[in-house]
Amino acid sequence: TQLLEQSPQFLSIQEGENLTVYCNSSSVFSSLQWYRQEPGEGPVLLVTVVTGGEVKKLKRLTFQFGDARKDSSLHITAAQPGDTGLYLCAGHSGGGADGLTFGKGTHLIIQP
Amino acid sequence: KAGVTQTPRYLIKTRGQQVTLSCSPISGHRSVSWYQQTPGQGLQFLFEYFSETQRNKGNFPGRFSGRQFSNSRSEMNVSTLELGDSALYLCASSFVSRRDTEAFFGQGTRLTVV
Repeated sequence: TQLLEQSPQFLSIQEGENLTVYCNSSSVFSSLQWYRQEPGEGPVLLVTVVTGGEVKKLKRLTFQFGDARKDSSLHITAAQPGDTGLYLCAGHSGGGADGLTFGKGTHLIIQP
Repeated sequence: KAGVTQTPRYLIKTRGQQVTLSCSPISGHRSVSWYQQTPGQGLQFLFEYFSETQRNKGNFPGRFSGRQFSNSRSEMNVSTLELGDSALYLCASSFVSRRDTEAFFGQGTRLTVV
């Protein structure tokens, strides 16, 4: 069973600060996705990374896929209260129509 | 276009009963996946259906089953409910069944077993 470990589990910071959350595994993933989930809603896809070393930027969010495709990070600059939510990483191990393996998530709270 | 629709949004069932949850994917999407989300275990993959065929199954007991209809709508069934089955059940649809395809999630069905 392939596992994705996310850290930290909980993070509460002030508006305007920067933060990084991590997603690590001992296994190689063919692709990794990051989702954000708000209370009472399903996860919403933020980005998919497929190439080792890949960096993608989405406004104030920067996503990086490790060279060995075993880890990923999400960096948020100048965090805003609207960034509050549960951030989930998920990966496909490869092959055909296998399901996504999710990390348990990072609960992020941005205080005004 | 309309998103993924899951019904009902909330359910309360008694231990030992069975339950059926429904998922209507985005129009044109043929792949539907089901996940269970609990505070302790996070999101866990249940199964995926594509063109009415189960493509893959997660590590859940046989009490969990599903099906997909010709219009791509999907149902999942849990028989002989246990207290531990209380969870948010999420359905995700995608156009094709491929690892880099974006999956769109519904709002989920919150199942409480008492």
